[in-house]
Amino acid sequence: EPEVTQTPSHQVTQMGQEVILRCVPISNHLYFYWYRQILGQKVEFLVSFYNNEISEKSEIFDDQFSVERPDGSNFTLKIRSTKLEDSAMYFCASRTGAWVGYEQYFGPGTRLTVT
Amino acid sequence: DAKTTQPNSMESNEEEPVHLPCNHSTISGTDYIHWYRQLPSQGPEYVIHGLTSNVNNRMASLAIAEDRKSSTLILHRATLRDAAVYYCILTDGSSNTGKLIFGQGTTLQVKP
Repeated sequence: EPEVTQTPSHQVTQMGQEVILRCVPISNHLYFYWYRQILGQKVEFLVSFYNNEISEKSEIFDDQFSVERPDGSNFTLKIRSTKLEDSAMYFCASRTGAWVGYEQYFGPGTRLTVT
Repeated sequence: DAKTTQPNSMESNEEEPVHLPCNHSTISGTDYIHWYRQLPSQGPEYVIHGLTSNVNNRMASLAIAEDRKSSTLILHRATLRDAAVYYCILTDGSSNTGKLIFGQGTTLQVKP
């Protein structure tokens, strides 16, 4: 069964450093998402991406965040200057088409620890 | 975004049915009802979704009230592997971004 993959599984970085989290969505999917989950808290929507542009973003997704689909397979989330409060699990998800009834497939997540 | 209300936690015995309730009294006509679950240390996983009619799939059943203000996820025979946080989420059918807004969900414990 096709699956969403994410690398690395765990990233440790120092405050102020840039990090790039990588995702490989399911190959025929068209809609891509990033979510995050701070330890012990709920899953939060960050951004949705379609047709090589951001279709919606949350208040959390400020100028420190960016997303990119650099080639036909990868989908990346970049945090330019990490803060302690960016420590969280980051989940990538993808969906096949426009209809909201289609399910989103989530990756296993990247645990980001900012020290 | 339309809101849902779920109990914080529920318990079940293994191999017994489980009924997980969700209230969504402010649901609009274009909102779909989705259920996802999150097993420990994993990403969320789709379970089922519906609009107006009851739905069945290999994982679960979804019973939707006639007025659509509530729904119930039914696991027919709970297994230990079903212990997870279950999220009831409304998505706007008139929007194509499809973002999921997660609440706190219901933590399901399954006892052997």
